[in-house]
Amino acid sequence: AQSVTQLGSHVSVSEGALVLLRCNYSSSVPPYLFWYVQYPNQGLQLLLKYTSAATLVKGINGFEAEFKKSETSFHLTKPSAHMSDAAEYFCAVSRGGATNKLIFGTGTLLAVQP
Amino acid sequence: DTEVTQTPKHLVMGMTNKKSLKCEQHMGHRAMYWYKQKAKKPPELMFVYSYEKLSINESVPSRFSPECPNSSLLNLHLHALQPEDSALYLCASRSGATGSGNTIYFGEGSWLTVV
Repeated sequence: AQSVTQLGSHVSVSEGALVLLRCNYSSSVPPYLFWYVQYPNQGLQLLLKYTSAATLVKGINGFEAEFKKSETSFHLTKPSAHMSDAAEYFCAVSRGGATNKLIFGTGTLLAVQP
Repeated sequence: DTEVTQTPKHLVMGMTNKKSLKCEQHMGHRAMYWYKQKAKKPPELMFVYSYEKLSINESVPSRFSPECPNSSLLNLHLHALQPEDSALYLCASRSGATGSGNTIYFGEGSWLTVV
């Protein structure tokens, strides 16, 4: 079975500081991994996805993530946090098959302090 | 344009009411989903439609009834709900028929309150 674990339900950084949100996956086959962001009272927006084409994936809003098979990790980073980055971030892994079920992690709430 | 449109954005209904949530996409996607999200929790899958046929029902109570009238529309019919069903209901769609790499795109959600 596939699953993802997000370490840290709450992360707080200062504006301009590095953002690091952790995600580890478990999968018996090469996974497809995603990061979604959810701003308050909104739906989910795709930040980036890993589909085995490249281990370093660049997404929207300056975010990127690196797939590390040896560490079974897909951590999300951004060099410099903005106030507008405050949101809930979900890591997700996709199962195989036509139905393409997304399995979500428990989420990390990012707070950005001025 | 990766847009999934959901209506209404907010719905308040009594436990004896019958209402529906609607979802529409015009991206030519052939898989559509309903997710339920409680506050401070990740989305939980409810139903998956593939080529307008129900392919997954995650043991959802029968008071939730999905319908896929055509490839662009997905409805969720609600009847005799309980207060604990109050949540954000997210619709999503995916491009392509097979393969795990296809991205699932989400709508803005419908906030449901059962009183």
